[in-house]
Amino acid sequence: QQPVQSPQAVILREGEDAVINCSSSKALYSVHWYRQKHGEAPVFLMILLKGGEQKGHEKISASFNEKKQQSSLYLTASQLSYSGTYFCGTVLFNQAGTALIFGKGTTLSVSS
Amino acid sequence: AAGVIQSPRHLIKEKRETATLKCYPIPRHDTVYWYQQGPGQDPQFLISFYEKMQSDKGSIPDRFSAQQFSDYHSELNMSSLELGDSALYFCASSFGGTSTDTQYFGPGTRLTVL
Repeated sequence: QQPVQSPQAVILREGEDAVINCSSSKALYSVHWYRQKHGEAPVFLMILLKGGEQKGHEKISASFNEKKQQSSLYLTASQLSYSGTYFCGTVLFNQAGTALIFGKGTTLSVSS
Repeated sequence: AAGVIQSPRHLIKEKRETATLKCYPIPRHDTVYWYQQGPGQDPQFLISFYEKMQSDKGSIPDRFSAQQFSDYHSELNMSSLELGDSALYFCASSFGGTSTDTQYFGPGTRLTVL
């Protein structure tokens, strides 16, 4: 039931773009995106609640394709501060509880 | 804005000892989640509480127990500690008790078992 994130790692120069994918083998109810820097708490980025929904915050946006059971996180014109590990946390459709099931993460490194 | 508070931030214990981790949720939040994160791994859900009642249970060992008190703070009690329990333990809080609520994570407690 753990979602699969791809790629595992991304190396970028400042100003470049990246896409991180999160796929599930089961129907998703919601997808929560977090960024975590080493040794720190995961920081909430955005939540997507229904199929086709796209959300954005400055240069970070995300989409949720309910049919494909997939969400993608888009980072445009990356900045050094974007470096970290990105996790998608999923809640399955018909899941009994509200806990997040996280993917293994995608490590993003941005250099100048 | 107030955030989730966890204490202690660091804890060193010997094998077979016990440990208690505390979590103070964001004011007015009624739901608390506990996650365990090993080195280089993703957070794994342990247990959650909504309005002081256990609402969901994940991969929490029988040696661990937790509760949420009347002031909504939560404690995770860990007994007979093993080397493999060494990890970052995060508490997250939310308001509403539903799967569409945003979970805000605390800074974590780093537990080292020697």
